[in-house]
Amino acid sequence: EAQVTQNPRYLITVTGKKLTVTCSQNMNHEYMSWYRQDPGLGLRQIYYSMNVEVTDKGDVPEGYKVSRKEKRNFPLILESPSPNQTSLYFCASSPPSGGFGAEQYFGPGTRLTVT
Amino acid sequence: GENVEQHPSTLSVQEGDSAVIKCTYSDSASNYFPWYKQELGKRPQLIIDIRSNVGEKKDQRIAVTLNKTAKHFSLHITETQPEDSAVYFCAAKDSGDYKLSFGAGTTVTVRA
Repeated sequence: EAQVTQNPRYLITVTGKKLTVTCSQNMNHEYMSWYRQDPGLGLRQIYYSMNVEVTDKGDVPEGYKVSRKEKRNFPLILESPSPNQTSLYFCASSPPSGGFGAEQYFGPGTRLTVT
Repeated sequence: GENVEQHPSTLSVQEGDSAVIKCTYSDSASNYFPWYKQELGKRPQLIIDIRSNVGEKKDQRIAVTLNKTAKHFSLHITETQPEDSAVYFCAAKDSGDYKLSFGAGTTVTVRA
């Protein structure tokens, strides 16, 4: 089954404790992205990757890191989480779009709480 | 960067009536405009999209219109049903990069 998976689905942690949220897709998509969803703010892009070893900042990259060592995986790293990073996080992937855009397939989401 | 504004933030309609959600964008270079539906507790899913070289697109009860001159696009849902109740997000993508900017969302409630 074609899908995007994220782990963990729920995480409660404390300020400053490094964490990684994993994202994996089995559709051989080149493009992957991370979003955070907060009430009243919609989905905001954190980082995206056009292919292996190619990443770029989205609209809200501060406090986050990413890596793309394999095509299927795109982990999100919070080196020193803070309470303002409490949010619902989505990973997404999509195929090449030929200059336009293509459907993004979202993972199930990770609910992160930083105390 | 791109700025997408979405209105209204909430919309309540009677079952069978139509619903319209409007979005404006700031970057005239944007060339792709998708709409995503997010049911409660679920992930967003694409319901329809339109490219800048098309003015209107329809898929059964949903349609999207694009006005490039005015830089706005709209989602139209006809004959609404209870299963249409969800949060709807519009988005815009610049032709020159891979960023996708989303609106803040519209919570649609269909009253039986």
